[in-house]
Amino acid sequence: EVQLLESGGGLVQPGGSLRLSCAASGFTFRTYAMSWVRQAPGKGLEWVSGISGSGSITYYADSVKGRFTISRDSSKSTLYLQMNSLRAEDTAMYYCAKYYHSYYYGMDVWGQGTTVTVSS
Amino acid sequence: QSALTQPASVSGSPGQSITISCTGTRSDVGGYNYVSWYQQHPGKAPKLMIYDVSNRPSGVSNRFSGSKSGNTASLTISGLQAEDEADYYCSSYTSSSTWVFGGGTKLTVL
Repeated sequence: EVQLLESGGGLVQPGGSLRLSCAASGFTFRTYAMSWVRQAPGKGLEWVSGISGSGSITYYADSVKGRFTISRDSSKSTLYLQMNSLRAEDTAMYYCAKYYHSYYYGMDVWGQGTTVTVSS
Repeated sequence: QSALTQPASVSGSPGQSITISCTGTRSDVGGYNYVSWYQQHPGKAPKLMIYDVSNRPSGVSNRFSGSKSGNTASLTISGLQAEDEADYYCSSYTSSSTWVFGGGTKLTVL
């Protein structure tokens, strides 16, 4: 069964850091581009970041560029999101997602999400 | 990158058809045939319903269809069923090699 399992969320103060992880199983991890998508409480979806299957190409939304870093470890089938200089507006449920065949096709597998709360 | 524009809500009766629009610009929807649609039930993760404007992943009902004209993409659901009640989001690839979502549309089945 294809599965994604996020972890690492929690409560952090403004200006703090957090690293999210997403453990993948049931598919050849290194073959697929991956992404992080977030959803603030009661709000819509916001694409955050994407990474190629090899990990050599990364993409970021303007709202997180320079503060967040996406990476992956194929030996562990795990996707990461390092979040620095966190702000209140980063408070959201963070989902990791797998692209369907390629980066252009949309995301066909999603994790259950991990909650990040930025508050003093 | 500004969010794509979707109607906040649509509604329809069981058996009817509804269409949700998604308007962007030449830098996203109008520039690429890389538009996806997602269904999200309350408290659940999104589910891919349409990719590449009009293609359905395996397992998605053929009651769901997508199209595009210019800078506007559309999702049509025919033969509405109670379980179709959910939030729907469009998403497009952009000229910055990123993705942008629409604000979401709440579908109510009357």
